Amino acid sequence: DAKTTQPTSMDCAEGRAANLPCNHSTISGNEYVYWYRQIHSQGPQYIIHGLKNNETNEMASLIITEDRKSSTLILPHATLRDTAVYYCIVRVDGNYGQNFVFGPGTRLSVLP
Amino acid sequence: KAGVTQTPRYLIKTRGQQVTLSCSPISGHRSVSWYQQTPGQGLQFLFEYFSETQRNKGNFPGRFSGRQFSNSRSEMNVSTLELGDSALYLCASSTTRGEAFFGQGTRLTVV
Repeated sequence: DAKTTQPTSMDCAEGRAANLPCNHSTISGNEYVYWYRQIHSQGPQYIIHGLKNNETNEMASLIITEDRKSSTLILPHATLRDTAVYYCIVRVDGNYGQNFVFGPGTRLSVLP
Repeated sequence: KAGVTQTPRYLIKTRGQQVTLSCSPISGHRSVSWYQQTPGQGLQFLFEYFSETQRNKGNFPGRFSGRQFSNSRSEMNVSTLELGDSALYLCASSTTRGEAFFGQGTRLTVV
């Protein structure tokens, strides 16, 4: 079972910031928070991941609370192409054969 | 840098047949994982290979198998196809840090 809970769906106006929350209250000390998104019928796309510090890349920012029990993915200026299902996953880092456990994710609709 | 390549993109098979899907990982990635995605069950992990060895396996029947070659390319095979095997099959290759990069998938339809 997925170790995260996310809202089923969210709407965001084009050009505004999209803030996608994720709860992971049982996260272990060595588990990272990963975010992927999947645009209809395509393979999931890696967005960002982090352990405890906030992370930013060209796609998004990841804000992790100090107790690490929740996080928020921020798309700073959402576009119509950001409409997708967003998955929050916790997993140990490193290449040790651990698989990703995908939950149902959040369906983000960016509206014109 | 080329991404993960899966072939074929689409496939139609008849119940009882077997099928082989192929995945070429990103150059330098030695870990390849396979996932099945259906509308009812979502994305589910099948198995993971690293240096030609299966390191991890999901909860699927033995009809689902895979292998990895010395060049890290991987194949998965499904024997005695059932209607319920219709799905999008996704392959992902991983870095040493663990980020996985997915291919576009093979959409299998069993009729």
